[in-house]
Amino acid sequence: NAGVTQTPKFQVLKTGQSMTLQCAQDMNHEYMSWYRQDPGMGLRLIHYSVGAGITDQGEVPNGYNVSRSTTEDFPLRLLSAAPSQTSVYFCASKGLTEAFFGQGTRLTVV
Amino acid sequence: GIQVEQSPPDLILQEGANSTLRCNFSDSVNNLQWFHQNPWGQLINLFYIPSGTKQNGRLSATTVATERYSLLYISSSQTTDSGVYFCAVVSRAGGTSYGKLTFGQGTILTVHP
Repeated sequence: NAGVTQTPKFQVLKTGQSMTLQCAQDMNHEYMSWYRQDPGMGLRLIHYSVGAGITDQGEVPNGYNVSRSTTEDFPLRLLSAAPSQTSVYFCASKGLTEAFFGQGTRLTVV
Repeated sequence: GIQVEQSPPDLILQEGANSTLRCNFSDSVNNLQWFHQNPWGQLINLFYIPSGTKQNGRLSATTVATERYSLLYISSSQTTDSGVYFCAVVSRAGGTSYGKLTFGQGTILTVHP
């Protein structure tokens, strides 16, 4: 049982490049979400999904896109990376009770 | 939206000491979790505790939902307990908010040998 799997673990991008952070869960959870963690600011919600085909914005959605075509996968897309998007990104999956987090992706935009 | 405050922000202990971390929240919740973020950045689930008391080894947690706070107790601390401890809640607002975790700023715990 893998839980929540994120890839890649580390990534360096140049300003203006695009990339997709992958997230997959094997717990059949309907709810999935993306957070970013910046120093001194805790974790903040970017986007979330309550099921396949349904997504919505969180607290800090600008610069990010998401889609949810299957229950298992919830990718996060950066269309044109900016230095302000340098952060650690966490994907989470939640059932009726607790949420579980992936191992995180450390993204640096230069 | 719901506000989550954790205290203290920093805590330094000698190995073997006990500690209490506090989490206050501003509104009714139907989900409260404690996480430990280890020095490698992983978020480890400690407790799912929207109310009541739970224990797991040297750690225990109590949530008093009616008074809007939760406590995490660490006894006989070890150097491996070092890291950041987060409290996260889901507001009882309902609807599609059932999964929206709001995090506190965390307590940075350092345990010296």
